[in-house]
Amino acid sequence: SAVISQKPSRDICQRGTSLTIQCQVDSQVTMMFWYRQQPGQSLTLIATANQGSEATYESGFVIDKFPISRPNLTFSTLTVSNMSPEDSSIYLCSVDRARETQYFGPGTRLLVL
Amino acid sequence: AQKITQTQPGMFVQEKEAVTLDCTYDTSDQSYGLFWYKQPSSGEMIFLIYQGSYDEQNATEGRYSLNFQKARKSANLVISASQLGDSAMYFCAMREGRSNFGNEKLTFGTGTRLTIIP
Repeated sequence: SAVISQKPSRDICQRGTSLTIQCQVDSQVTMMFWYRQQPGQSLTLIATANQGSEATYESGFVIDKFPISRPNLTFSTLTVSNMSPEDSSIYLCSVDRARETQYFGPGTRLLVL
Repeated sequence: AQKITQTQPGMFVQEKEAVTLDCTYDTSDQSYGLFWYKQPSSGEMIFLIYQGSYDEQNATEGRYSLNFQKARKSANLVISASQLGDSAMYFCAMREGRSNFGNEKLTFGTGTRLTIIP
């Protein structure tokens, strides 16, 4: 299995502000994935982060709103910018260990007031 | 069209009984993988089991088994001898693509909330 940590584990933020979420993996990985889970909903992929290149965003997600950094093979950040209450969600990062597994971090619970 | 369909929003099962959680999928790829995850109230996503489209045998991991029926495009999760700690949301997910090394996104179903009754 992979050991994945995320910071912060939870936060309460004011609308209009930004929050940066960190994801740290215990070993080098090629791809890191960022998902969002809105209250009572399933997981939706925001973007895929490959080290050394721009992140690839899914339809409905844009870089200005969710900028991602991937400075090395064990670390990534996701920023939720200019937040509104609709951004209240759990944000999860994940990595592959092999084709048969994709492990998730513990998640960041965000509440925007 | 939905790629992953979970038709049971909620299930109640007596402790120690077996439970089957349904999942059907839709893909035109020949190579794909199916995953099940457990999400307790803490919010973490716990990987349970994986089935590859070319795997001839149904996957098993302890009390979890996957009933894979390729022609029907179904990948039901079976939990044997359910325990109170099995109460959680369960998500079925699919990875499409031909890579043998992973690194492709997962598409998730809407989930099933399982409650184990003592």
